[in-house]
Amino acid sequence: DTEVTQTPKHLVMGMTNKKSLKCEQHMGHRAMYWYKQKAKKPPELMFVYSYEKLSINESVPSRFSPECPNSSLLNLHLHALQPEDSALYLCASGGVGYFYQETQYFGPGTRLLVL
Amino acid sequence: GQQLNQSPQSMFIQEGEDVSMNCTSSSIFNTWLWYKQDPGEGPVLLIALYKAGELTSNGRLTAQFGITRKDSFLNISASIPSDVGIYFCAGLPNAGGTSYGKLTFGQGTILTVHP
Repeated sequence: DTEVTQTPKHLVMGMTNKKSLKCEQHMGHRAMYWYKQKAKKPPELMFVYSYEKLSINESVPSRFSPECPNSSLLNLHLHALQPEDSALYLCASGGVGYFYQETQYFGPGTRLLVL
Repeated sequence: GQQLNQSPQSMFIQEGEDVSMNCTSSSIFNTWLWYKQDPGEGPVLLIALYKAGELTSNGRLTAQFGITRKDSFLNISASIPSDVGIYFCAGLPNAGGTSYGKLTFGQGTILTVHP
């Protein structure tokens, strides 16, 4: 099973709202990722968690706050977003097996619209 | 930073035709991954390549890890309408270091298949 699940599928929020995106994987992967994707563009890395610790933050604005409660779960807390933050937010997991066979599996994404 | 040049940017083909797309890099990658993405969905991993020169098939798909470790190609044989989507190549650097786990994506190839 190579499934990464994400909820919600769609989210509409105002600029003063607080919301959270959730991601879950049960593949025993040691690393989990958040990406942002605009239409017809490749995903852009936001955060990497390795062994439940934040290892990479790609200079993401503080209105995006990641959290990794355990090895299977990854959250992205959203607060005071801007309309330009509207995008598809993708979660990915990877890192099972040997280091030289690294890969990443993506979830279906959350389509976020900020009004 | 590292960049991947993916070509062609788009392809319009007839059902039954074969398709070829490729990615080149100025830097060496340890792993090459090929993904397909349908509109509004997350990228789906098609093929993972881990060794220079490796040739791997997945049904009608064949991909190769270039011998110089700076390029990869994906072929689709006998295309069908459901092959429509955006195809992304992605490279992973060597294990270890601050860039470990950071995928570098190509810009994508938009494939249209006419019945």
